[in-house]
Amino acid sequence: DSGVTQTPKHLITATGQRVTLRCSPRSGDLSVYWYQQSLDQGLQFLIQYYNGEERAKGNILERFSAQQFPDLHSELNLSSLELGDSALYFCASSADLAGGYEQYFGPGTRLTVT
Amino acid sequence: AQSVAQPEDQVNVAEGNPLTVKCTYSVSGNPYLFWYVQYPNRGLQFLLKYITGDNLVKGSYGFEAEFNKSQTSFHLKKPSALVSDSALYFCAVSHSGTYKYIFGTGTRLKVLA
Repeated sequence: DSGVTQTPKHLITATGQRVTLRCSPRSGDLSVYWYQQSLDQGLQFLIQYYNGEERAKGNILERFSAQQFPDLHSELNLSSLELGDSALYFCASSADLAGGYEQYFGPGTRLTVT
Repeated sequence: AQSVAQPEDQVNVAEGNPLTVKCTYSVSGNPYLFWYVQYPNRGLQFLLKYITGDNLVKGSYGFEAEFNKSQTSFHLKKPSALVSDSALYFCAVSHSGTYKYIFGTGTRLKVLA
């Protein structure tokens, strides 16, 4: 158990809808990362937050947004969903911002868009 | 710019034989290198990392990796493979001048009984 929790585990929704994925980092970790993993594209970095502030952006679509709250949990909002958004979404946390810290991954949320 | 490459999509090895999963990187600055493992329907698990010091790094489950600066490589190794080592392995790179991570595309390891 990594100490990172994600809810829900599974989500099935229709095209055009909006969903929110939630992540609680390991106790004491200030940095949260979001990743998308689909079968043909490996692990894609979406966005990183540190202590409530956005720090890095990867291949995140404009339809997607995220935030980190004062209690350090984070939410990833996906809107106007398309079939191609079906994927596993992982949250990870690390102790600090610097690149030398390993990341601890949650179990993921499997999103299916029908 | 930083990048990482895992040249093999899949590696097959017989149980009891040594295994190697390859990773090469490109960074400007001192690299921070990581290996993660992903079992089916699970999140990635941290295995080991190189930040500085001894080029041979030991990690979880008997895995080790060797940092080779001249060849810009960080190959994952294990002296004797187990069937339970079958999983997806990811190499990742960061460096001292950034907090961004780059993950490789992953290598599927299949250990055959």
